[in-house]
Amino acid sequence: QKEVEQDPGPLSVPEGAIVSLNCTYSNSAFQYFMWYRQYSRKGPELLMYTYSSGNKEDGRFTAQVDKSSKYISLFIRDSQPSDSATYLCAMSEDQGAQKLVFGQGTRLTINP
Amino acid sequence: ETGVTQTPRHLVMGMTNKKSLKCEQHLGHNAMYWYKQSAKKPLELMFVYNFKEQTENNSVPSRFSPECPNSSHLFLHLHTLQPEDSALYLCASSQGDAGEETQYFGPGTRLLVL
Repeated sequence: QKEVEQDPGPLSVPEGAIVSLNCTYSNSAFQYFMWYRQYSRKGPELLMYTYSSGNKEDGRFTAQVDKSSKYISLFIRDSQPSDSATYLCAMSEDQGAQKLVFGQGTRLTINP
Repeated sequence: ETGVTQTPRHLVMGMTNKKSLKCEQHLGHNAMYWYKQSAKKPLELMFVYNFKEQTENNSVPSRFSPECPNSSHLFLHLHTLQPEDSALYLCASSQGDAGEETQYFGPGTRLLVL
């Protein structure tokens, strides 16, 4: 069993739709959870960073963590074509986050 | 230059060649990382350096040899690679101390081994 599971997609939705991206994990010691966005031919960039369970909102993006279910989500509201990218979840046991464990990434396309 | 830069951006090499990948960070960070990104696989952490000292080697084959001469530069020396080593090699850096950590990634070197 992989430590972090993420559906690779591809996922294609119309512009304006609400997008839900998810990851599950098996290591209950993970406490820090991240979402990275990776555009084609670019390196990943940090989108959201959350600690423990709960929600965090930043503009059109909301990250949710449910540690009891070992499940994290990223919601994108009013999706735009510029949101088309691969989204990677990542998690860490320690705050220093030097040993990140990544999901496979979900390729997302927003159609105009 | 800002952020994390990597050169070359693309590299084609034969299995008997020796080449090096270069990474430079302009963020004043103290930790640097090498990752391998293959199609349909998660990012794999290869090496971690803190204050120029290697603190993590994730069971990487010896045909990959990292070098960190200072906190701003990181190299990955390649020799006698295999076709399955073809991938995107990403460098990242972070502050390297306790606190909310973010890893900043470079654009990667796309490597093809023939």
